[in-house]
Amino acid sequence: AQSVTQLDSQVPVFEEAPVELRCNYSSSVSVYLFWYVQYPNQGLQLLLKYLSGSTLVESINGFEAEFNKSQTSFHLRKPSVHISDTAEYFCAVTGGTSYGKLTFGQGTILTVHP
Amino acid sequence: DAMVIQNPRYQVTQFGKPVTLSCSQTLNHNVMYWYQQKSSQAPKLLFHYYDKDFNNEADTPDNFQSRRPNTSFCFLDIRSPGLGDAAMYLCATSRGTISNQPQHFGDGTRLSIL
Repeated sequence: AQSVTQLDSQVPVFEEAPVELRCNYSSSVSVYLFWYVQYPNQGLQLLLKYLSGSTLVESINGFEAEFNKSQTSFHLRKPSVHISDTAEYFCAVTGGTSYGKLTFGQGTILTVHP
Repeated sequence: DAMVIQNPRYQVTQFGKPVTLSCSQTLNHNVMYWYQQKSSQAPKLLFHYYDKDFNNEADTPDNFQSRRPNTSFCFLDIRSPGLGDAAMYLCATSRGTISNQPQHFGDGTRLSIL
């Protein structure tokens, strides 16, 4: 079985400050990792994914995440946040025999204050 | 743009009155998923279709049914909605059930029960 733990349910930050949203996973098989973002009253949008290769993956809007196999982590970072980054962020994992079934973390609400 | 479209965005129904939620996709993906997301929680997978093959999650209540008449459309039927079924319902698609294929989500239908 797989599980995902997002260590912070809420993260408040000021605009232009750096942010890190933490994600740890457990799995007995190789995994694929995803971060999704959900704006209020909308569906989930894929932010970035780790499938293989370079352990550092980047999104088009300045977010990055690093896959750390030894620490079973996939933390999401951004060096300078904007008001528009306010949303809920979900870390998710698939792999092994889970046919692509996503196992989600509980989500982290990022609130960016002016 | 290719996308996943859910109708309606907001649905109100009465306790015990059957309701149907709709999802369509222009991505030509094989797999369509239905998730239930309650407030401040992660999405919970109800079932998925791989082409015409239906796969129910073990803990999905019998009250929830689904139909997929063709590749593009998928419906979620709630036969006798209870107050506990009030939630956001998300439809998603993926190219296949290989674990590294990301899922693409619609904007969801928010269901309220009177």
